[in-house]
Amino acid sequence: AQSVTQPDIHITVSEGASLELRCNYSYGATPYLFWYVQSPGQGLQLLLKYFSGDTLVQGIKGFEAEFKRSQSSFNLRKPSVHWSDAAEYFCAVGPNTNAGKSTFGDGTTLTVKP
Amino acid sequence: NAGVTQTPKFQVLKTGQSMTLQCAQDMNHEYMSWYRQDPGMGLRLIHYSVGAGITDQGEVPNGYNVSRSTTEDFPLRLLSAAPSQTSVYFCASNRDSAHEQFFGPGTRLTVL
Repeated sequence: AQSVTQPDIHITVSEGASLELRCNYSYGATPYLFWYVQSPGQGLQLLLKYFSGDTLVQGIKGFEAEFKRSQSSFNLRKPSVHWSDAAEYFCAVGPNTNAGKSTFGDGTTLTVKP
Repeated sequence: NAGVTQTPKFQVLKTGQSMTLQCAQDMNHEYMSWYRQDPGMGLRLIHYSVGAGITDQGEVPNGYNVSRSTTEDFPLRLLSAAPSQTSVYFCASNRDSAHEQFFGPGTRLTVL
């Protein structure tokens, strides 16, 4: 069965500092991997996704993530955080079949200090 | 395109009442899913569908029913509401498992 672990429940960074949010997955083959962001009171919005090819993927709002097969990780990074990045971030794994189910991590809440 | 729409946005029920949460998408997506979101528990899959007439259970299906008679609509029915079903419910759709999900704005449900 597939699973996703986001080890950090809550992270606080200063505005302008770099950010890394961790995501570890469990899946028998190469999965489809996603990062979503949720602002308060909103639905989820896709930041970026990995299917195959280049292991460093670029997303919206200056985010990037790196797929590391050997570590079963897909960590999200941003070189300089803005106050508007404060939100909850979810990592998700989807099957590379047509089974239809995706699995989400429990989320990491990001607080940005001025 | 409206994307994924959900109604109502807020709902308060009494224990034992039934209701249907509506979800519709206008992107001609085959896949649709219902999740519930509770503090500290991420999103948990309730039911999903890979096409009209095809549904399957997720990890927390008890107390909920779904049907998929059209590509556009995927309603979620609460048969007899319980306080444990107090949550925020999200509907999502995607073209297939190789593509990202598009989420609706959510329905905040309180069961008293």
